[in-house]
Amino acid sequence: AQSVTQPDIHITVSEGASLELRCNYSYGATPYLFWYVQSPGQGLQLLLKYFSGDTLVQGIKGFEAEFKRSQSSFNLRKPSVHWSDAAEYFCAVGPFNNAGNMLTFGGGTRLMVKP
Amino acid sequence: KAGVTQTPRYLIKTRGQQVTLSCSPISGHRSVSWYQQTPGQGLQFLFEYFSETQRNKGNFPGRFSGRQFSNSRSEMNVSTLELGDSALYLCASSYLGPTDTQYFGPGTRLTVL
Repeated sequence: AQSVTQPDIHITVSEGASLELRCNYSYGATPYLFWYVQSPGQGLQLLLKYFSGDTLVQGIKGFEAEFKRSQSSFNLRKPSVHWSDAAEYFCAVGPFNNAGNMLTFGGGTRLMVKP
Repeated sequence: KAGVTQTPRYLIKTRGQQVTLSCSPISGHRSVSWYQQTPGQGLQFLFEYFSETQRNKGNFPGRFSGRQFSNSRSEMNVSTLELGDSALYLCASSYLGPTDTQYFGPGTRLTVL
């Protein structure tokens, strides 16, 4: 069965500092990979997704992620964090050979931003 | 374009009761998925409907059921509520399949007393 691990439950960074959120997945083949963000009281918003091709993916709000097959990782990065980035971030995988939408989510990483 | 809407936003029920939650997808979207979010279990996939047919199902007991109407609106039903069913229930819609972006609604917060 596929699984997603986000090793860091909480991360605190200073405003303007760089950010990297870790995500590791377990799956028999290359899955579809996603990063979502959830602000308090809100639903999930897609930041970026990877299906194939270039392993460095650009997303919204200045985020990017890099797929590393050898490490089964899909880490999210941002060069300079803004206070408005404080939220919970979820990595997710979708089955490559499934026609439907069935995401398996990691446990999430809560990001706090210090002024 | 209007986003995914879920009604009601908040709900309080007692154990043993049943509940129905509603989701209206973005216009033109044919896939609707449901997720349960709890502090202990995180985000878990419940089921997905596409063109009124269940296309995928997660690992939840039969008390959890859903359906989709011809206008793509979806409902999920939970019968014989248990305390552990207290959660945020999120609905997501997309046009067709996994390469299409899934848009999530704000969720329905269910509290079971």
